[in-house]
Amino acid sequence: DTAVSQTPKYLVTQMGNDKSIKCEQNLGHDTMYWYKQDSKKFLKIMFSYNNKELIINETVPNRFSPKSPDKAHLNLHINSLELGDSAVYFCASSLTRTSTDTQYFGPGTRLTVL
Amino acid sequence: QKEVEQNSGPLSVPEGAIASLNCTYSDRVSQSFFWYRQYSGKSPELIMSIYSNGDKEDGRFTAQLNKASQYVSLLIRDSQPSDSATYLCAVISLSSASKIIFGSGTRLSIRP
Repeated sequence: DTAVSQTPKYLVTQMGNDKSIKCEQNLGHDTMYWYKQDSKKFLKIMFSYNNKELIINETVPNRFSPKSPDKAHLNLHINSLELGDSAVYFCASSLTRTSTDTQYFGPGTRLTVL
Repeated sequence: QKEVEQNSGPLSVPEGAIASLNCTYSDRVSQSFFWYRQYSGKSPELIMSIYSNGDKEDGRFTAQLNKASQYVSLLIRDSQPSDSATYLCAVISLSSASKIIFGSGTRLSIRP
């Protein structure tokens, strides 16, 4: 299936731990994104990469570090997890960074920090 | 003022009626407008995009854009129970470096 996939789907961890979420797209897209959706369903962009280069870096704590080994993958590493990091994290991709390109979302990773 | 504002709902509409979802945005140089549907526990899915003033129709969905009033809406005709979801309005503007800004969503419930 052509899609955006994320692993894991659920992640439960203790405060202070370090965790990673992986994202892969096989759509041949150039641009990938990470979004955070909080408990109020507010979806906010965190990062965007175009052909492995960082193009959007929102005001996100530097405990969050994205890594793009190639244009099909965009992983998110989070250091020293805090309670407020609990949310659903969505990866997305689009053909190019052009604003009219549709963004396709992955299934999400529900992160719970205890 | 939030950049993209939506009434959180829930908006309850009887089956078969027209559901009308509204969104306002603050940035006058916004250029691209989207409606995403998100079922509970699922990821957002694009259902409509609109870039110029006026109406755009796709099946039972019509998006309406009025840039002068900074207003975009989504009409769903012949509402079905399967339309029950949260609808997210999203906007891209030149001044936001082409990043997409989402509203907080309107929860729509279609009652049989």
